[in-house]
Amino acid sequence: AQSVTQLDSQVPVFEEAPVELRCNYSSSVSVYLFWYVQYPNQGLQLLLKYLSGSTLVKGINGFEAEFNKSQTSFHLRKPSVHISDTAEYFCAVSDRNFNKFYFGSGTKLNVKP
Amino acid sequence: GAVVSQHPSRVICKSGTSVKIECRSLDFQATTMFWYRQFPKQSLMLMATSNEGSKATYEQGVEKDKFLINHASLTLSTLTVTSAHPEDSSFYICSARDFSGSGGLSTDTQYFGPGTRLTVL
Repeated sequence: AQSVTQLDSQVPVFEEAPVELRCNYSSSVSVYLFWYVQYPNQGLQLLLKYLSGSTLVKGINGFEAEFNKSQTSFHLRKPSVHISDTAEYFCAVSDRNFNKFYFGSGTKLNVKP
Repeated sequence: GAVVSQHPSRVICKSGTSVKIECRSLDFQATTMFWYRQFPKQSLMLMATSNEGSKATYEQGVEKDKFLINHASLTLSTLTVTSAHPEDSSFYICSARDFSGSGGLSTDTQYFGPGTRLTVL
């Protein structure tokens, strides 16, 4: 089985500042890793995913994440955030058959002007 | 990207009634769909995996007689909450698995619907 830990439940940050949202996972098998964003009362939108290849993955809206196998981490970063980035962000893992997704508890990013 | 729709987006019902939620993949065929439940300020919890033409696989602790899942076609899965009670009030989200395979290259990911807010009075 897999599990995902997002240690930061809330991250306040000022507009145009950089941000990092942390995600650690545990698994006995190789996994795929994902970041999703959820705006209020909406479903989830895929930001980016790591399946294989380069450990630095670039996604939509200027976000990127780096897969670190030795530290079992997949932290999400953005060099300069906007007010519109205010949302909840979920890290997720799945096995390599995409049979199930396991989600972290989410991190609320609050971008202040 | 691929689009998944859910209907209705919001429903309010009386205790004891049944509610059906539809999940459709609009521009791709999905042999597998997933149903999640999200409580306020919590993450998504997988309820069941729905496979076209076969019985759904439920996660431990999810009552299959209460949450009926039907995946009758490659583009439609339904979740029926039977005899709903206030504790069933939640945000229900479906996802559809999009697998595209071609010439040895393949992509496989899940696309999520916008969710259905169920309130049971």
